[in-house]
Amino acid sequence: KQEVTQIPAALSVPEGENLVLNCSFTDSAIYNLQWFRQDPGKGLTSLLLIQSSQREQTSGRLNASLDKSSGRSTLYIAASQPGDSATYLCAVGDYKLSFGAGTTVTVRA
Amino acid sequence: NAGVMQNPRHLVRRRGQEARLRCSPMKGHSHVYWYRQLPEEGLKFMVYLQKENIIDESGMPKERFSAEFPKEGPSILRIQQVVRGDSAAYFCASSPRISGRDNTGELFFGEGSRLTVL
Repeated sequence: KQEVTQIPAALSVPEGENLVLNCSFTDSAIYNLQWFRQDPGKGLTSLLLIQSSQREQTSGRLNASLDKSSGRSTLYIAASQPGDSATYLCAVGDYKLSFGAGTTVTVRA
Repeated sequence: NAGVMQNPRHLVRRRGQEARLRCSPMKGHSHVYWYRQLPEEGLKFMVYLQKENIIDESGMPKERFSAEFPKEGPSILRIQQVVRGDSAAYFCASSPRISGRDNTGELFFGEGSRLTVL
């Protein structure tokens, strides 16, 4: 059974600082790894999808890396802004995604 | 291109009543998935459907829960005789193709339906 862990559970940083969010998974035989953003009371917004054959994906200020051998992914958010405050979820799998509990980020103005 | 549409966004039911949650996938998407997010817990897979077919219902509770995706109309998640433990956010996702088989099946989620059972 795939277990997904996200550390830290919460993070508070001043505006402009870079964010580093960690995700680890127990079974390295994965299909995809997806990073999502969830705002309070809202749905999930897909940020980045890394296919199993890829090592990283980038979109704007976001960069996600994947190391299947060590069972880890890292999401980097450059030059954080207050609008980046949200819960970030890591999910691993095919259509049957296993989700981590998330990292709740607060960016202080 | 409208996203995944779910309704109702909020639903209140008394114990023993039925809840029906609806999901319209993104245009061009033929694969629908339901997930549940219990309070203080992560999202858990419930069921995967294609038109008129249940492909994988391994995450569905054995009783009171059912799902369908008819030829016409939205996918429906039905909960009969609701209990307080059913209170949760129910999310629907869709993808244009099966996720994993060709490694390109990104899932797109809706805003969720929040069920409260009194």
